Amino acid sequence: QSVLTQPPSASGTPGQRVTISCSGSSSNVGANPINWYQHLPGTAPKLLIYTTNQRPSGVPDRFSGSKSGTSASLAISGLQSEDEAEYYCATWDDSLNVFYVFGTGTKVTVL
Amino acid sequence: EVQLVESGGGLVQPGGSLKLSCAASGFTFDDYAIHWVRQAPGKGLEWVSGISWNSGNIAYAGSVRGRFTISRDNAKNSLYLQMNSLGPEDMAIYYCARDRRPIVAATSYFDFWGRGTLVTVSS
Repeated sequence: QSVLTQPPSASGTPGQRVTISCSGSSSNVGANPINWYQHLPGTAPKLLIYTTNQRPSGVPDRFSGSKSGTSASLAISGLQSEDEAEYYCATWDDSLNVFYVFGTGTKVTVL
Repeated sequence: EVQLVESGGGLVQPGGSLKLSCAASGFTFDDYAIHWVRQAPGKGLEWVSGISWNSGNIAYAGSVRGRFTISRDNAKNSLYLQMNSLGPEDMAIYYCARDRRPIVAATSYFDFWGRGTLVTVSS
């Protein structure tokens, strides 16, 4: 059971803006940088955002990340059909039993 | 081109053992920490273990600590995961993922992933 909570689903029509939240605590989201991954079934997960708001080379600027306190967000503006995927937030947890934690995942559907 | 290719998955009985491998290419393997991440059927991603560039820094999730052992052979550009005392909760696709840093640390993130190998635990 993940310690980072995301909504199970989100949706939008092409061109719309979709926002995914990631809620944690002071030992994870509140303390460390946030990363976001995009995952399509049967494929390798892909790094989308690192260090809370940085995009790797090749990731469109339609994707943006932010954080406030113990909550983080991923925004997808100008939604496109190829954005339909599962999205996971992730960060390090300062507690002893778990080091790196992923969010529960959000399935984005393009209507 | 960075490539990570997992192998060694398969069917194993409860209580059994399995050793996974991850073959890396397209980058200087011993410049980076590497991790194992798994995804159980119908579930989300779960971090399993990570190992630093020189094997000096290793971490495990509480759910596998004492049963799984991560290791690497830099001469062979390979990462391994020895899994013992397997149970139904270990059934998952196992991915290896490259850390952007050489050590396992709070500022790490995974910039390249393999496509995974499936581990099935069943009698």
